[in-house]
Amino acid sequence: KAGVTQTPRYLIKTRGQQVTLSCSPISGHRSVSWYQQTPGQGLQFLFEYFSETQRNKGNFPGRFSGRQFSNSRSEMNVSTLELGDSALYLCASSGYQETQYFGPGTRLLVL
Amino acid sequence: AQSVTQLGSHVSVSEGALVLLRCNYSSSVPPYLFWYVQYPNQGLQLLLKYTSAATLVKGINGFEAEFKKRETSFHLTKPSAHMSDAAEYFCAVSDRRGAQKLVFGQGTRLTINP
Repeated sequence: KAGVTQTPRYLIKTRGQQVTLSCSPISGHRSVSWYQQTPGQGLQFLFEYFSETQRNKGNFPGRFSGRQFSNSRSEMNVSTLELGDSALYLCASSGYQETQYFGPGTRLLVL
Repeated sequence: AQSVTQLGSHVSVSEGALVLLRCNYSSSVPPYLFWYVQYPNQGLQLLLKYTSAATLVKGINGFEAEFKKRETSFHLTKPSAHMSDAAEYFCAVSDRRGAQKLVFGQGTRLTINP
């Protein structure tokens, strides 16, 4: 089975812009979770989608949003980018009540 | 609320020596515990998981971990370190078998000395 894929792998944006990241889960997985990884805050849970519905949400401002499509692919969007949004964004997918498998991440740099 | 504390942000061992990475958790319900490894510029790879079956869990690459409820610990060990084990290791906890919302520790960077 192909693993979790994330696009793009690297991204450079400037403050105030918005960005959309994409995640394709492992075939058959219906749950997709997103995490932000920074040197200062470590790995933090953003949100989880299951069957196109947000099922869990972390403690991030409303500038961070996501969605899931009928084929389980997911996107996350960050609006009005801030310097502090520079991070590695990781997506993970899982089957029903199973372990999460992570993608390689999208590294976002905000200038 | 759940939390994880990894003792030691950096651990250095010699090749062939024992690897011990410490993880303590806090959870108000029976936890599910995980160890992930991250190599440079990569995502997280699952090493092993505890899901309330055997307390001694064996994972990939010769790693294992023991769930100790009284000590609220889930330390990761490997009898003999290899150069390829150099990476960052994360302990994580979840309150549901599905583990869709993981709470991670701050990570431990493991260095292997030749």
